[in-house]
Amino acid sequence: EAQVTQNPRYLITVTGKKLTVTCSQNMNHEYMSWYRQDPGLGLRQIYYSMNVEVTDKGDVPEGYKVSRKEKRNFPLILESPSPNQTSLYFCASSYGQGPYEQYFGPGTRLTVT
Amino acid sequence: AQSVTQLDSHVSVSEGTPVLLRCNYSSSYSPSLFWYVQHPNKGLQLLLKYTSAATLVKGINGFEAEFKKSETSFHLTKPSAHMSDAAEYFCVGNRDDKIIFGKGTRLHILP
Repeated sequence: EAQVTQNPRYLITVTGKKLTVTCSQNMNHEYMSWYRQDPGLGLRQIYYSMNVEVTDKGDVPEGYKVSRKEKRNFPLILESPSPNQTSLYFCASSYGQGPYEQYFGPGTRLTVT
Repeated sequence: AQSVTQLDSHVSVSEGTPVLLRCNYSSSYSPSLFWYVQHPNKGLQLLLKYTSAATLVKGINGFEAEFKKSETSFHLTKPSAHMSDAAEYFCVGNRDDKIIFGKGTRLHILP
């Protein structure tokens, strides 16, 4: 089954404790991205990757890191989480930018206290 | 700069009546446009997409949208609402290196 998986689905952590949210897709997609969803703000892109070893900032990259060492995986790293990073996070993948459907993961709800 | 504006943050309709969710885009050229739906506690699912092949686009679950260049609009419609349509809907623009999400419209279905 074609899918994007994220782990964990729910995470409660404390300020400053490094964490990683994993994202994996099995569709051989070149393009992957991370979004955060906040009430009233819709989805905002954090980082995206056009292919292996190619990443770029989205609209809200501050406080986040990503890496793309393999085509299927695109982890999101919070080196020192802060309460303003409490949000719902989605990973997505597609064949590319432009007229391509994005496939979304189920989401990760992160709470930073 | 490209932008996507969803004109209503909430829309309420009675079951069986038509649905209209409005989306305007701002771009110097025709972008690719999408509508996604997000049911409670779920990820986003593609409803339909416009990629310049046809201005009237049909999607899943009876939804359709019409691209109107003169009005820079891409409104989502459905002839008859069903309770299962209650969800949040996102209009998304995509061109070159930018993907722009509208802020979403929450659709409420009244019994």
